[in-house]
Amino acid sequence: QKEVEQDPGPLSVPEGAIVSLNCTYSNSAFQYFMWYRQYSRKGPELLMYTYSSGNKEDGRFTAQVDKSSKYISLFIRDSQPSDSATYLCAISYSGAGSYQLTFGKGTKLSVIP
Amino acid sequence: GAGVSQSPRYKVAKRGQDVALRCDPISGHVSLFWYQQALGQGPEFLTYFQNEAQLDKSGLPSDRFFAERPEGSVSTLKIQRTQQEDSAVYLCASSSRRGSNTEAFFGQGTRLTVV
Repeated sequence: QKEVEQDPGPLSVPEGAIVSLNCTYSNSAFQYFMWYRQYSRKGPELLMYTYSSGNKEDGRFTAQVDKSSKYISLFIRDSQPSDSATYLCAISYSGAGSYQLTFGKGTKLSVIP
Repeated sequence: GAGVSQSPRYKVAKRGQDVALRCDPISGHVSLFWYQQALGQGPEFLTYFQNEAQLDKSGLPSDRFFAERPEGSVSTLKIQRTQQEDSAVYLCASSSRRGSNTEAFFGQGTRLTVV
């Protein structure tokens, strides 16, 4: 079992829809949770970063972490065609010597006008 | 510069050839990371530098892979005797915080194709 599991999609939604993207992880030692957006032939761009369980909102984006279930989500409200991209979850440990991010495979999202 | 810059953007190498990939981090960033992203996959960690010190190279897949950051700014990832399985996008990221991978900025990557 991989440390981070993410459904690769593809996911296609109409403009204005609410999008739900999810990842599960296996190691309870993970403490930092991130969502990146990656456009085609570009590098990943950090969208959201959370440390604890609960919700964090930034504009149309909401990140949710449930450490008890080892489940993280990203919700996009009022989705736009410009949101069409691959969304990557990334997870990290804390503490000395823990430098790497562990990424999911990414979910490819298409928002249809 | 305004962001992390990587060069070349695209590289085609014949199998067995050596390649060098360059990363210019954001000015003043102490932390620098290299990742490898295969087609349809998420990035996978290769190595981490804090200034000029390589503190973690646990992700380098073989001894054909070598990275350096001699003056604590520009970094080079070198792959010797390239093989087809080395074909991937190589991403560099930098952060202003020591040891911090949680707020790293990524470059656009170098797409390596080994033929």
